[in-house]
Formats: sequence, structure tokens, C-alpha cells
Amino acid sequence: SYVVTQPPSVSVAPGQTARITCGGNSIGRKSVHWYQQKPGQAPVLVVYEDSDRPSGIPERFSGSNSGNTATLTISRVEVGDEADYYCQVWDSNNDHVVFGGGTKLTVL
Amino acid sequence: EVQLLESGGGLVQPGGSLRLSCAASGFTFSSYTMSWVRQAPGKGLEWVSSINVSGGSSYSADSVKGRFTISRDNSKNTLYLQMNNLRAEDTALYYCAKASPGGWLRLSFDYWGQGTLVTVSS
Repeated sequence: SYVVTQPPSVSVAPGQTARITCGGNSIGRKSVHWYQQKPGQAPVLVVYEDSDRPSGIPERFSGSNSGNTATLTISRVEVGDEADYYCQVWDSNNDHVVFGGGTKLTVL
Repeated sequence: EVQLLESGGGLVQPGGSLRLSCAASGFTFSSYTMSWVRQAPGKGLEWVSSINVSGGSSYSADSVKGRFTISRDNSKNTLYLQMNNLRAEDTALYYCAKASPGGWLRLSFDYWGQGTLVTVSS
């Protein structure tokens, strides 16, 4: 089955740029979606179809996808961005949804 | 306003059964694919199952195939998950999620409920 890999943790200072990666075999050929989950809360979709933002999501959140790596970029990071972030794709070979293991973003 | 309200969770013994429900409002339920996603305590998100708009097509994770059945009643705006032969490893918070517009290849989840907790223990 298709596997997507995320780093367990990323740390960044406030005001800097955070980049969270999601690796997978030819993931550039798939649509990648990103979710933010804060403690005790349900996940929130922050980027869909590689680089689109749902309404209400700040422009500071952006996405890209090419080759074997998709990336969620958070510009001008704020303390409130501290959360777990998950990437997600559709595995068309097995008709399954696949989530990455999640990345804990720490704002120092 | 889109609302998804899960119910039916609780404590069940290994080998037991539960049926989860998700009452949807604020959108045309019959027009969207719906899904269940779970999260074990302290762990990441795990997809469980998805069902298309008519209920005629569904997919499930290998870990639950043959034990869990997803269904929907568009007349009642409700999504269900029938869980049989439950195991300790099924212990998790179960979320109901609405799919964004688009087909299976672009499937993402734009709204989530707050979840219902299932605990499998003797």
C-alpha cells in the first residue's frame, strides 16, 4: 500500500518560516491535502489539492507538490500555529485514504 | 453552518458491537461523500471508511474490512458505522468527516465532527 512519510517534529521561531514535508513515491502525481490539529480539537483542513486554501485559512499557509515530496509552508509563524499537521492522499491502487504520521510543529 | 454530530460511542468488551451515528446539518447531505476517521489516544489520524453519495460504493481500511460497515440514510441526513467483533486496537476517537467537492482521486475532508469515543476493554 502507498506510504507517506512526515518528520515527527519541526521547530521554528515566531516570525520565521516553517516547512513541513510529506514524502511518497511520485507523490507529485497525487493531490495532497493538509490538516492542522490542535490539542483536544478536531482536525481542520488548511490546504487542499496541493496548494489551495479553504476560505478562512490565512494566506500564510501555502502548499506545493512535486516529484516525491509535498510541502506545507507556514510563513510568519505565530504561537497559535503550534499544532500537529497531517498530510493526506488518495491511494488509487488500493482505493484507500492515506494519512501521514503527523508532524508536531513547535513554535519556540 | 455545517454541523456533524457523532454519537454511539462507549465502553464495549472485546468481540462486542457498536453502531456509531453522525447527524449532519447545514449542507445538502445527499450530495457529498462521507467518511469515518479515527484517532487512537496519543496517536495520529487513521482513515476508517468512506461512502459515496448514493451509498452504492464504499471503501474501508484493511484493518477494519470485514468487521466494520459504513452506511448512510440520506432521508435522515445521517451517516453510520456498524462495528462488529471489536478489538482493543479499535479504541479511538471516531470522527465523522464531510468530503470536499470532487471525486475520489481528490478526496479531502473539509468539515469534521468533534468525535465519539470508543473504548474496547474487558
